[in-house]
Amino acid sequence: GEDVEQSLFLSVREGDSSVINCTYTDSSSTYLYWYKQEPGAGLQLLTYIFSNMDMKQDQRLTVLLNKKDKHLSLRIADTQTGDSAIYFCAEIANQAGTALIFGKGTTLSVSS
Amino acid sequence: EADIYQTPRYLVIGTGKKITLECSQTMGHDKMYWYQQDPGMELHLIHYSYGVNSTEKGDLSSESTVSRIRTEHFPLTLESARPSHTSQYLCASSTRTGRTPYEQYFGPGTRLTVT
Repeated sequence: GEDVEQSLFLSVREGDSSVINCTYTDSSSTYLYWYKQEPGAGLQLLTYIFSNMDMKQDQRLTVLLNKKDKHLSLRIADTQTGDSAIYFCAEIANQAGTALIFGKGTTLSVSS
Repeated sequence: EADIYQTPRYLVIGTGKKITLECSQTMGHDKMYWYQQDPGMELHLIHYSYGVNSTEKGDLSSESTVSRIRTEHFPLTLESARPSHTSQYLCASSTRTGRTPYEQYFGPGTRLTVT
């Protein structure tokens, strides 16, 4: 069945780069997303990548997509304490795009 | 900033009570969703709607029910709350067209505790 896997925890020091990894199962997924959830809040879209792209950069964020291995990663450059949050990888669940399948979330902890 | 609202933000209620969690969006989105979020943070889709008078059950079985009488409103009801219903409930909406394809906009969530 469809499943999205992520590592659960990542701890980095302020100023370092963070890399959060995700694997997905549906090779027909057209869009893949990264969402961020801060404590006590809902999820907010950080960035997304279309399946015909290998890489997308948006300021401090870099998304890499390896379609062969069904592997998605999010790199945060110069990680700040404000980046501490839970990061969810998601793929579209069906061709209608009506639902997303989320990973379990990676908790990023940034220490100063 | 997304215009999707949930009330109440926090609710503590006794076993057996009937409760309704409210969700409203002002973006005119046709699709709306309810997720249940574990203490371990995993999200589970429990209900979704393609539009007015359309509701479907999600991947996770839930004793809750939903209705979609108006585009902007998607309330979730528990007829008889139990401690096992204690969780964070997140509402979201989306539209096929927009700034980001299929992006789901989330409300701030309702944290429900059933004692």
